[in-house]
Amino acid sequence: GIQVEQSPPDLILQEGANSTLRCNFSDSVNNLQWFHQNPWGQLINLFYIPSGTKQNGRLSATTVATERYSLLYISSSQTTDSGVYFCARVPAGGSYIPTFGRGTSLIVHP
Amino acid sequence: NAGVTQTPKFQVLKTGQSMTLQCAQDMNHNSMYWYRQDPGMGLRLIYYSASEGTTDKGEVPNGYNVSRLNKREFSLRLESAAPSQTSVYFCASGWGGITGELFFGEGSRLTVL
Repeated sequence: GIQVEQSPPDLILQEGANSTLRCNFSDSVNNLQWFHQNPWGQLINLFYIPSGTKQNGRLSATTVATERYSLLYISSSQTTDSGVYFCARVPAGGSYIPTFGRGTSLIVHP
Repeated sequence: NAGVTQTPKFQVLKTGQSMTLQCAQDMNHNSMYWYRQDPGMGLRLIYYSASEGTTDKGEVPNGYNVSRLNKREFSLRLESAAPSQTSVYFCASGWGGITGELFFGEGSRLTVL
């Protein structure tokens, strides 16, 4: 079954708008990571966040492991925020292999 | 500080040809991974190596082989390339286990004609 589900699949914003991206996971996790894939294809680590809240500039993330979801907040979006955002989770047991959601594609218009 | 380095970055093959994608990391990580990325599919795990000397199949291993040459290097081989293997390939490394934080290379774009 689906282990990592991201929403929305697509998002279009005007520069300056705020947005929330969601990642739901179907089982207990040891950790959760958020990545940004820029238009050149590079995967950039944003947050490593098994639980709680972290902030880095205009971006912040919250993981509520007991309720099996994580949120990525982007405030005052800029055109450079465009790209695809992925979450990846490591399960609490088994082989500890990170698995990915299908991503949220974000376009920020000037 | 190179992090994770993949070569080549681009490759065009004909059906049936073979090739090897190379990956090296300089972070002394235990675990290394090969993913493929196709439009709308996210990243899917091909093979991984939890530690030096071990390799295991991931979600989509058919048509691929891997070698964990040493702690730094993990290569992916296509013995007889097929058009279905046209994709972008990413190598990643991490400490593995319950920590699981991943660090990615820049990707290798492979086209099989």
